[in-house]
Amino acid sequence: DVKVTQSSRYLVKRTGEKVFLECVQDMDHENMFWYRQDPGLGLRLIYFSYDVKMKEKGDIPEGYSVSREKKERFSLILESASTNQTSMYLCASITAGPRGYNEQFFGPGTRLTVL
Amino acid sequence: SQQGEEDPQALSIQEGENATMNCSYKTSINNLQWYRQNSGRGLVHLILIRSNEREKHSGRLRVTLDTSKKSSSLLITASRAADTASYFCASRGGGSEKLVFGKGTKLTVNP
Repeated sequence: DVKVTQSSRYLVKRTGEKVFLECVQDMDHENMFWYRQDPGLGLRLIYFSYDVKMKEKGDIPEGYSVSREKKERFSLILESASTNQTSMYLCASITAGPRGYNEQFFGPGTRLTVL
Repeated sequence: SQQGEEDPQALSIQEGENATMNCSYKTSINNLQWYRQNSGRGLVHLILIRSNEREKHSGRLRVTLDTSKKSSSLLITASRAADTASYFCASRGGGSEKLVFGKGTKLTVNP
C-alpha cells in the first residue's frame, strides 16, 4: 500500500522558532512537493524536488527552505516562524513515469500554528 | 500561473441527487486530476483524465474534459452524505512537473 507520511499531524510553535516538517514516502518516487493550504486560497506550491539534492522554488517559497538528502525524505524548514505561516502543510510525491499519467500521492497534512 | 478554478465554490444538495462541479484552467495540460478532502484531513486522489481523453468513469464518478474550452467537470451520481467534502481539480502540463490546484468546491450532501 502506497504511503506518504508526515512527522506530525499538529504542531504549535512560537514566533521566531526554527521549524522542521518531515515527509517520507515509501514508493521510490523521484518527485516530491510541499504545499500549504489556506481557506479561500486553495493549495499553493512552496517547493518541490525532482531528485536527491535537487530543489526548485514553487509559487510561494519566501520564508521557507527545503532539504532532500535522501530520495524518500523531503523536509520543509521554516527558518524563523511567523504567525502568517500558520497553515495546513501538505507533502506529496509523484513518480516521474511516462508523461500523461503521473498520480500524485499526498500525506495526511500537518496543521501548524505559530503563536 | 496556471490557476484552476472550480465552480461553484459551494454546493448543497439532498442525498440521492447528482452533484456537478466544474473546473477551468488556463494553459495546455498533460492531464487533469480530481481530489477530495474531508475537513481537516489530507487529499485523496479520485480520478485522472489524460489530455487525449474526453470522458472517464470510476464508480459513481464521471469526469469529462474539454481541452478546446480548457474545462473539466466532475459528476457524482446518487450522492450520499459521506460524499460531503471539498473537491479540487488539479492540472499538470506545459512540460512542468508542477500540479496546479484550484480553490475547490465545498459539497454538502444533506441526508
